[in-house]
Amino acid sequence: QVQLVQSGAEVKKPGASVKVSCKASGYTFTAYYMNWVRQAPGQGLEWMAWINPNSGDTKYAQNFQGRVTMTRDTSINTVFMELSRLRSDDTAVYYCARALGGYSHYYDLWGRGSLVTVSS
Amino acid sequence: DIQMTQSPSSVSASVGDRVTITCRASQGIGSWLAWYQRKPGTAPKLLIYAASSLQSGVPSRFSGSGSGTEFTLTISTLQPEDFATYFCQQANSFPITFGQGTRLEIK
Repeated sequence: QVQLVQSGAEVKKPGASVKVSCKASGYTFTAYYMNWVRQAPGQGLEWMAWINPNSGDTKYAQNFQGRVTMTRDTSINTVFMELSRLRSDDTAVYYCARALGGYSHYYDLWGRGSLVTVSS
Repeated sequence: DIQMTQSPSSVSASVGDRVTITCRASQGIGSWLAWYQRKPGTAPKLLIYAASSLQSGVPSRFSGSGSGTEFTLTISTLQPEDFATYFCQQANSFPITFGQGTRLEIK
């Protein structure tokens, strides 16, 4: 079954870091770029980053430069998104999303989302 | 960043109705636009890409049109399962940006 399974909810304190995982199954992991998109309460979707699982090359949104790191482990078909120096406005649901056709900027497969709550 | 503005923000309609949702880009994006459907508690579903290409498995009652700065998503004959939130996304340039969504509600 083609799917993306994300890690569970996290509660973090301001200033801490969080690492969210997204495990792919049912397709060739290295053939499709993966993206991270988040949605804060009451806000729209916000694209954060993408990774080429084959090469490990990444691209980050300017808003998250220096705070976000995307990595992958091809042995377990999993991508990771680590966000550091968390703030309360980082409270959001974080989604991984696969690129249609391998490397487009359209997303044809999404995870169910991982809720990250930042609170003191 | 390219701003994506959807209208209306919500719409009420009945089963069998024809519904059109509009998405405007703050600058020209060619045909680099997608539409997604989202239901509560589920992941977004790609409906349309490249402004008018129907994603595999999506019913033909969904269609997209437009180019440049103005785009539309049309649902020709609403079905009960179509009541959801719809949002657009530009794929022209980084950062990728999304519209705020249009909630389609049952009248």
